[in-house]
Amino acid sequence: GAVVSQHPSWVICKSGTSVKIECRSLDFQATTMFWYRQFPKQSLMLMATSNEGSKATYEQGVEKDKFLINHASLTLSTLTVTSAHPEDSSFYICSAPQGAYEQYFGPGTRLTVT
Amino acid sequence: GENVEQHPSTLSVQEGDSAVIKCTYSDSASNYFPWYKQELGKRPQLIIDIRSNVGEKKDQRIAVTLNKTAKHFSLHITETQPEDSAVYFCAASMSGGYSTLTFGKGTMLLVSP
Repeated sequence: GAVVSQHPSWVICKSGTSVKIECRSLDFQATTMFWYRQFPKQSLMLMATSNEGSKATYEQGVEKDKFLINHASLTLSTLTVTSAHPEDSSFYICSAPQGAYEQYFGPGTRLTVT
Repeated sequence: GENVEQHPSTLSVQEGDSAVIKCTYSDSASNYFPWYKQELGKRPQLIIDIRSNVGEKKDQRIAVTLNKTAKHFSLHITETQPEDSAVYFCAASMSGGYSTLTFGKGTMLLVSP
């Protein structure tokens, strides 16, 4: 079946620094990937749609200059949280669609900003 | 945009009982309705999904029903087991995998032995 990986699985960084999270589709190509953020005891909220070869599409209220997305290849999308602050601490999950309907989720990255 | 409401937010049942979680959606163009189980700190796992051309789908102890006229769909788990304890999310999507999923707020299911 389709497998999506994320790296790192968890990261702790200091306030003001930047953190890069990678999302890879291991056994299929993904021209589109989705980035979600999940705060404790809350639902998944779509942040942006990553498109290979073009700019990402951001959801309303998500700062595109703070959350930089680069879809470098057909199997890799990266999310960089720039100038991270404690309120950016969250669980970040990517997903990639394969076929007409199903999306495959990565294992998530736990970001803690101190 | 799409809005998905999910109820209840928490559900406690005894082992062996049935559990029902309900969701409503707002956009009649939505045609794909997956259900996910998420354990703490892990990725959402697809447990069952239904498309708009079907009214009901069953997979062993899990079933989903869809009422497109009323714009609601439900997850039914029978003979619940402690390992069913997790957070369950419903979601809706318009035209398939390349379209965004809108999630409900989730239901924490606790199955007591």
